[in-house]
Amino acid sequence: DIQMTQSPSSLSASVGDRVTITCRASQTISIYLNWYQQKPGKAPNLLIFAASTLQSGVPSRFSGSGSGTDFTLTISSLQPEDFATYFCQQTYGTPLTFGGGTNVEIK
Amino acid sequence: QVQLVESGGGVVQPGRSLRLSCVASGFSFNTYGMHWVRQAPVKGLEWVAVISYDGRNQYFADSMKGRFTISRDNSKNTLYLQMNRLRVEDTAVYFCAREGARYCSGARCKTVAMDVWGQGTTVTVSS
Repeated sequence: DIQMTQSPSSLSASVGDRVTITCRASQTISIYLNWYQQKPGKAPNLLIFAASTLQSGVPSRFSGSGSGTDFTLTISSLQPEDFATYFCQQTYGTPLTFGGGTNVEIK
Repeated sequence: QVQLVESGGGVVQPGRSLRLSCVASGFSFNTYGMHWVRQAPVKGLEWVAVISYDGRNQYFADSMKGRFTISRDNSKNTLYLQMNRLRVEDTAVYFCAREGARYCSGARCKTVAMDVWGQGTTVTVSS
């Protein structure tokens, strides 16, 4: 199985900060890496797919980059509604696997 | 409005069975692959299974193989997850999700991500 390692597991940031979350795959996954945002009690929401493609309706302050084994999610200017947990996911092969999540908290 | 609505969760004893349903609306259900994903309390996301648009192909996470069955009835726009021989560690919120985010490289396109999710249904396995 492909292991997905996210870091950090949590971070504290202020509104307006630039935030970067990383995800590393245990083997190459090309660009088959997705990012989701999840708020408490809610379903995940797709932000970025295929490493860098912004899902329709997602604000442009979210961006993704990377290929192979190393990927990054960047929020250019953190907004109050961005405080949530973020998960990466590989869809290169089954079983599909998720990273452990990054909880973004208010500083 | 594109929507997925799960049902069928509840409290069940270890070793018993449960069937979850996911009713789709607002899109052509019979043209999309569908997934089940679960989330144990205060835990991360765990992929459970996927079924192709026509039901011919299914894949499962190793821990669910042989115990869980995924199926669909395209005439009813409904996805199912039959869970047998349930264990305490199967306790989770179960989400259904559409595999709809499409990535194209040149002339080749494939769906690569889950773009629509249901609200989830809670399964508690406890004696």
